[in-house]
Amino acid sequence: GNSVTQMEGPVTLSEEAFLTINCTYTATGYPSLFWYVQYPGEGLQLLLKATKADDKGSNKGFEATYRKETTSFHLEKGSVQVSDSAVYFCALFYNQGGKLIFGQGTELSVKP
Amino acid sequence: EAGVTQFPSHSVIEKGQTVTLRCDPISGHDNLYWYRRVMGKEIKFLLHFVKESKQDESGMPNNRFLAERTGGTYSTLKVQPAELEDSGVYFCASSLPGTDTQYFGPGTRLTVL
Repeated sequence: GNSVTQMEGPVTLSEEAFLTINCTYTATGYPSLFWYVQYPGEGLQLLLKATKADDKGSNKGFEATYRKETTSFHLEKGSVQVSDSAVYFCALFYNQGGKLIFGQGTELSVKP
Repeated sequence: EAGVTQFPSHSVIEKGQTVTLRCDPISGHDNLYWYRRVMGKEIKFLLHFVKESKQDESGMPNNRFLAERTGGTYSTLKVQPAELEDSGVYFCASSLPGTDTQYFGPGTRLTVL
C-alpha cells in the first residue's frame, strides 16, 4: 500500500546549522508530495509541495526535491533559526484517493 | 479570508461520555476531511466529504464515530461513547474541488480520562 516514512526525531540543532529531514515514500503512480509544519500551539500549515518528478518545492528557505528514482522528498534548509522549531510532516496525495497519507512527523528543536 | 476553524480547541471528558467536535471549512471548499493524530504517531485519515456526501469513510475506526455535514457547510464528528484510545488531536481540513492542497484547522485536542 501507499506509505510515507520519515526520519525519527527529535532532531536538535544549533542556530545556523544545516537541516535535513529525510522522507521516503511507497506509492503506485505519481502522487503529489507535501511538507506540512506544525509550530507549537498552532495547526498544520502547508510548507511546500511538488507535484511531479524533479520538481523542487521551496518556501521560507526550505527546499525539497521530488526524486522518483529514489522515492524521496527530503526537506533541507541551509541555516535554521530558533523560530523553525516545530514538528514537520511529510505527506503524499493522490487525486483519485482524495486523502493525504502522512509520515509520523519529525520534531525539530533549534537552540540559540 | 477566514481559514478552517475548529471547536473546541480542547476537550477533556471521561470514558463513556459523548463529545462532538465541529469544523467550519473555508467558504467555497466542497472537500472536507477529518484526520487524527494519536500519541505522537502519524496523522491518519478518518473520512472525506464532498459537499454533504461521504466520499470515503474508510479511516473511521469503528461505529462509535459519526460524522455529518448537513447542508454541505460545517461538519461535526461525534464520538459516543468515548474510550481511552480515542484521545488525540483531531484535525479538519478543506480544499477546493479538483485541487491537491488541503488547508488545515488548528485541531481539537481530545483527552479521554
